[in-house]
Amino acid sequence: QQQVKQSPQSLIVQKGGISIINCAYENTAFDYFPWYQQFPGKGPALLIAIRPDVSEKKEGRFTISFNKSAKQFSLHIMDSQPGDSATYFCAATIPGKLTFGTGTRLTIIP
Amino acid sequence: DADVTQTPRNRITKTGKRIMLECSQTKGHDRMYWYRQDPGLGLRLIYYSFDVKDINKGEISDGYSVSRQAQAKFSLSLESAIPNQTALYFCATSSPLGPQETQYFGPGTRLLVL
Repeated sequence: QQQVKQSPQSLIVQKGGISIINCAYENTAFDYFPWYQQFPGKGPALLIAIRPDVSEKKEGRFTISFNKSAKQFSLHIMDSQPGDSATYFCAATIPGKLTFGTGTRLTIIP
Repeated sequence: DADVTQTPRNRITKTGKRIMLECSQTKGHDRMYWYRQDPGLGLRLIYYSFDVKDINKGEISDGYSVSRQAQAKFSLSLESAIPNQTALYFCATSSPLGPQETQYFGPGTRLLVL
């Protein structure tokens, strides 16, 4: 069973637009929620992360919104750029173990 | 220089063959992981090791085995490869930092089982 559900599977956004990727989790024992970014031919790398006692975390153009009561969190990419084209994975952590979502392939078009 | 290296980067093998994928790290991390990535399924944990004497099964360990030869080395073996083990395999490392632990991934090994 998928403990972390991610949508959409793929997303096309125009340059300058806002990209939004959504995730939902079931296990309330998860205590950290990172997002990983993966470029073709590379391994995933940590992009941004949030603790469950915080409702929003912003780093540059990337923002995580977290809704603990709904057990949902989302990644917003403002002013999306072609260089943001990649696969994005949400994840949830119990110390020492990451559970990943299924991934979203984001394409930014000119 | 890459902190987490995987060899080989690409491998083609035949059904029934035994193969080994190797991972080395220079980050000095105690924790190492093996994942497989399949389209539409994300990254799934195969095995993980929190130190040299510790080996744990992940969610999809059937058909795989691992060996932690040293703090810096963690190998994944497919004893008798089958076509549905065709996937992209990643090694990762981490250092225990409580909830905010980050995993660092290698570049991956693309495996094709014919």
